[in-house]
Amino acid sequence: QVQLVQSGSELKKPGASVKVSCKASGYALSSYAMNWVRQAPGQGLEWVGWINTNTGDPTYAQGFTGRFVFSLDTSVNTAFLQISSLKAEDAAVYYCARSYAMDVWGQGTTVTVSS
Amino acid sequence: DIVLTQSPGTLSLSPGERATLSCRASQSVSRDYLAWFQQKPGLAPRLLIYGATSRATGIPDRFRGSGSGTDFTLTITRLEPEDFAVYYCQQCGSSPYTFGQGTKLEIK
Repeated sequence: QVQLVQSGSELKKPGASVKVSCKASGYALSSYAMNWVRQAPGQGLEWVGWINTNTGDPTYAQGFTGRFVFSLDTSVNTAFLQISSLKAEDAAVYYCARSYAMDVWGQGTTVTVSS
Repeated sequence: DIVLTQSPGTLSLSPGERATLSCRASQSVSRDYLAWFQQKPGLAPRLLIYGATSRATGIPDRFRGSGSGTDFTLTITRLEPEDFAVYYCQQCGSSPYTFGQGTKLEIK
């Protein structure tokens, strides 16, 4: 069964960092690109960017450069999103989604930023 | 960036009725790269339609996508109780990929 399983909710202080994982099962991570999508509380969907799971090359949407970093560990079939210097406005649910078609989604990881 | 504008913002209908959701793009989108997603509260989005007209695996045939260029439509021919949700269109033909703001389909 093809699925993406994300890490659990995170509560972080402003200025801290968080690393969200997205473990693929039922297929090889390197077979499909991986997208990351953000959904702020009560808001719509916003594309953060994608990573080429063959080369590791990332592409970030405008507004997500600098503090947002995608990475991979193909040995454990897992993609990661790291956000540094967290701000209150980073609080959201972050989803990973497979391929340009976004045909399979993780369950989402809630990141809360609060002092 | 390609801006996707969905209408209406909210659609109030009853089970058994037909729903028509619109997605208008600020510039032409290749049919191959226009998708529709359904999202229910507390859950991840689910792919319904890709390539403007093709249903994703397991999606009932009451969901129909159509359109080309800058105007796309999602039609739900006969609403079931489980269809009441928020629907998003999305384009992935031009970076940055963009989503519409969503249409909330609510029970009348």
